[in-house]
Amino acid sequence: QQQVKQSPQSLIVQKGGISIINCAYENTAFDYFPWYQQFPGKGPALLIAIRPDVSEKKEGRFTISFNKSAKQFSLHIMDSQPGDSATYFCAASNRAGTALIFGKGTTLSVSS
Amino acid sequence: DVKVTQSSRYLVKRTGEKVFLECVQDMDHENMFWYRQDPGLGLRLIYFSYDVKMKEKGDIPEGYSVSREKKERFSLILESASTNQTSMYLCASSPHRGTENTEAFFGQGTRLTVV
Repeated sequence: QQQVKQSPQSLIVQKGGISIINCAYENTAFDYFPWYQQFPGKGPALLIAIRPDVSEKKEGRFTISFNKSAKQFSLHIMDSQPGDSATYFCAASNRAGTALIFGKGTTLSVSS
Repeated sequence: DVKVTQSSRYLVKRTGEKVFLECVQDMDHENMFWYRQDPGLGLRLIYFSYDVKMKEKGDIPEGYSVSREKKERFSLILESASTNQTSMYLCASSPHRGTENTEAFFGQGTRLTVV
């Protein structure tokens, strides 16, 4: 059973547009929801993370929206740039510092 | 600068060989993890460790074992490599559970090909 479902699998966005990636989870014990960004040939790196006591977190052009009742969270990339082209993974864990469960990833291509 | 170092970027091994993938972190983290990454499947947890000499199975432990003799080092062992273990292997570390800082830091990965 896939605990974290991510969509879409791939996404093409025009430069300056908004990229939106969605994730849904099943385990209500999850309390930490990070997004990781991975460039080719590199390991994933933390982009932004949220805890369920807030509905939104913004860092620069990146925003996480969190809907606890729907068990969904999403990543919004405003003013998408070609340098944002990467694979994005949502993840969840049920205690701080414990093993992250990842979604299958979204390959984002931002065309100039 | 925090760092998780995996000993090899690329490995080619023969079917049936015993393979060791090494990972070292310099952040004094208690938690260490091994994931494999395959196209369309994301990152899947193989094994993890919360302390020296401690290990727990992840979602896909079959065919793998691990060793953690020192806090900074976590090794993944393929007892008898098979072609379906051809994959990208990622090591990660994070601070102890219960702390505020929960970021997991990843190494650059080892691309293993079993022929």
